[in-house]
Amino acid sequence: TQLLEQSPQFLSIQEGENLTVYCNSSSVFSSLQWYRQEPGEGPVLLVTVVTGGEVKKLKRLTFQFGDARKDSSLHITAAQPGDTGLYLCATEGGSEKLVFGKGTKLTVNP
Amino acid sequence: DAGVIQSPRHEVTEMGQEVTLRCKPISGHNSLFWYRQTMMRGLELLIYFNNNVPIDDSGMPEDRFSAKMPNASFSTLKIQPSEPRDSAVYFCASSYLYGLDTEAFFGQGTRLTVV
Repeated sequence: TQLLEQSPQFLSIQEGENLTVYCNSSSVFSSLQWYRQEPGEGPVLLVTVVTGGEVKKLKRLTFQFGDARKDSSLHITAAQPGDTGLYLCATEGGSEKLVFGKGTKLTVNP
Repeated sequence: DAGVIQSPRHEVTEMGQEVTLRCKPISGHNSLFWYRQTMMRGLELLIYFNNNVPIDDSGMPEDRFSAKMPNASFSTLKIQPSEPRDSAVYFCASSYLYGLDTEAFFGQGTRLTVV
C-alpha cells in the first residue's frame, strides 16, 4: 500500500495570510486527490490531479502535481476562517482502493 | 440523492458489548468503503467492497471486526466484543469506479465511544 506523508501536521494562521501544505510519497502516484474535512463531517473532494506538472485552481486554492508525480502541494491565498478544516490527500492504493494521508489540520483565525 | 447515510451518528457502549454500524450508499455506486478515523492514525481503510463483494479486508484490525454487504443499498460493520481502543469515528464512503477520477462520497460518520 502506498504511504502518503503530509506536512505540516498542524497549521494555525491569521486571516489574510497565504499557506502551502504538502503531500509526498516515495512511489509514483497514479493520480492524487485533495479532500477537505470540516468538523463533524466526512471528507469532501476538492480536486483530482492526474498529469505530472499539472496545476489546477479552485478560487483561492491552487493545486500542483509534481513533475515526477511523487508529490503535490495545495496553496491557499488570503486564507479565510471558512478555510479551516483538515486537508487530506488520497490516492489509489492498489486493488482500486482509496488510501489517505493523515492530513494537515488548518486553523484560520479571524 | 440524499448522499451516503450512516446510522447511528453517535454510539456509546460498554466494553464487551456488540456494536453494529450501518451504511446506505448512494444509489448506483458500485464501491463501498469503511474507514476509521482517529487523531493518532488518521483515516484508515478497514474494508472495501465492489459490487457487494469484499475485495480487500486487510485493514480490518482483528477478528472482532466484521463487515457485510448483503445488497447494493446496505452495509454493516460489526464489532463484537467492543473494546475502549475501538473508540473512533467510523466513516462509510461510496463511489462509482470510472478510472483515475474516482470520487469517494462520505457519510457524516458514526462517533463510537466504548467505555
